[in-house]
Amino acid sequence: NAGVTQTPKFRILKIGQSMTLQCAQDMNHNYMYWYRQDPGMGLKLIYYSVGAGITDKGEVPNGYNVSRSTTEDFPLRLELAAPSQTSVYFCASSYPSGANVLTFGAGSRLTVL
Amino acid sequence: KQEVTQIPAALSVPEGENLVLNCSFTDSAIYNLQWFRQDPGKGLTSLLLIQSSQREQTSGRLNASLDKSSGRSTLYIAASQPGDSATYLCAVRWNYGQNFVFGPGTRLSVLP
Repeated sequence: NAGVTQTPKFRILKIGQSMTLQCAQDMNHNYMYWYRQDPGMGLKLIYYSVGAGITDKGEVPNGYNVSRSTTEDFPLRLELAAPSQTSVYFCASSYPSGANVLTFGAGSRLTVL
Repeated sequence: KQEVTQIPAALSVPEGENLVLNCSFTDSAIYNLQWFRQDPGKGLTSLLLIQSSQREQTSGRLNASLDKSSGRSTLYIAASQPGDSATYLCAVRWNYGQNFVFGPGTRLSVLP
C-alpha cells in the first residue's frame, strides 16, 4: 500500500543511548517532515527536507539529526537520548505545491528512561 | 511568529448535533490550510485541504471554511456521530515557508 512507513513502532531507550527512527515513502513526494507530539499537545516540527540532499531545522531540532540521501527515505537520528525526548514521533511527506496534502506515518512511540 | 490556535480545547456534544471547531492563525499570507483527525494512539488522517484561493471545501458531513482576512478557519461537522469522537487539528502552511505549523487540537466527544 502506498504511504509513509515508520519503524520501529515502539522503543525504550536508556539515557545516553542513540538510535535511528526510519521513515520511507513511496509516493515520490519531494517534501518530508519529522514532528514530535507530546501528550495533550500539538505537533512540533523537528526537521524537514525539500529534496534529496537538502535538510533544514524546524522548531525543536536540538538533540536530533537527519539525512536525506534518497527521495524515499528520511531517517531521524537521536544522539545521547534524554528523558525530554520521550514522545511520539511522526514522519510525514507531501508534494511541494498545489494540493499538497500532508500524509503521515503511523508514528513511533519512544520512551527514554 | 507563526502561530496557530484552536478553540475550544475540548468539546462534548450529544449525538446528532451540528458543531463548529475553530482554528485561528497569525498572518494572512497562507499557502493552504489542512484539517486532520487523530484517533487516540494513532496517526493523523487528512480530512480537508483548503487552498489560499478557496473559501471552503466539503467532504460528506464535513465543511471547512477559510477567511484569510480575519485569520480564521472553521470545521463544521453536521449530524455528529459517536464515531466522530477524536482530536481534530488544523495545520497552516504560509507562502514564505515549506513547513506546516499545527494548532494544539480540539478533543471532540460525541455522546450516544
